[in-house]
Amino acid sequence: SQQGEEDPQALSIQEGENATMNCSYKTSINNLQWYRQNSGRGLVHLILIRSNEREKHSGRLRVTLDTSKKSSSLLITASRAADTASYFCATDDNNDMRFGAGTRLTVKP
Amino acid sequence: NAGVMQNPRHLVRRRGQEARLRCSPVKGHSHVYWYRQLPEEGLKFMVYLQKENIIDESGMPKERFSAEFPKEGPSILRIQQVVRGDSAAYFCASSPTSGGGHNSPLHFGNGTRLTVT
Repeated sequence: SQQGEEDPQALSIQEGENATMNCSYKTSINNLQWYRQNSGRGLVHLILIRSNEREKHSGRLRVTLDTSKKSSSLLITASRAADTASYFCATDDNNDMRFGAGTRLTVKP
Repeated sequence: NAGVMQNPRHLVRRRGQEARLRCSPVKGHSHVYWYRQLPEEGLKFMVYLQKENIIDESGMPKERFSAEFPKEGPSILRIQQVVRGDSAAYFCASSPTSGGGHNSPLHFGNGTRLTVT
């Protein structure tokens, strides 16, 4: 079964900088979702982009989807220390959602 | 509105004992997913259930593991005769419809951390 794969595995930036995380997947999808996980907590849904959409915005988040390359990116602009977390992309597999290994983002104050 | 509730938050079991993990989905959600997470790793799909039905258990080991989502009450993930390799965080998620085809985000609980000694 397919599963998203995030890149890079870890990312460390200074507060105020932008953070870009990438996700690649293997087969066709209906939608791709991004989630955030703080240490010791469950995942929180951030944004969903459908297969017929190319870009979506939500506050400081910008997600792009390129179905020809089977890839997506998550951009967090003007990062804050509170953005420190792991970020996962998830793709639908039949009726299930499958997750990648995540990108661990550290934002230094 | 209560989110997904998982209990217990922490569970310690000796090798050979049984572990029962409970998940109460968001009220009105009839789709439940169980995932397993090892430290510093992503979520590994285990099983997808609808009320009283197992839809996909392809990610669950054939032996010792079972899951149910009865008409009444929480979903239960049961691990019999636990071994040290079962130590992990187990997350439950729910959605009002199936996660993929209907474009529904998943709502996660905060997980149960199982430690097998």
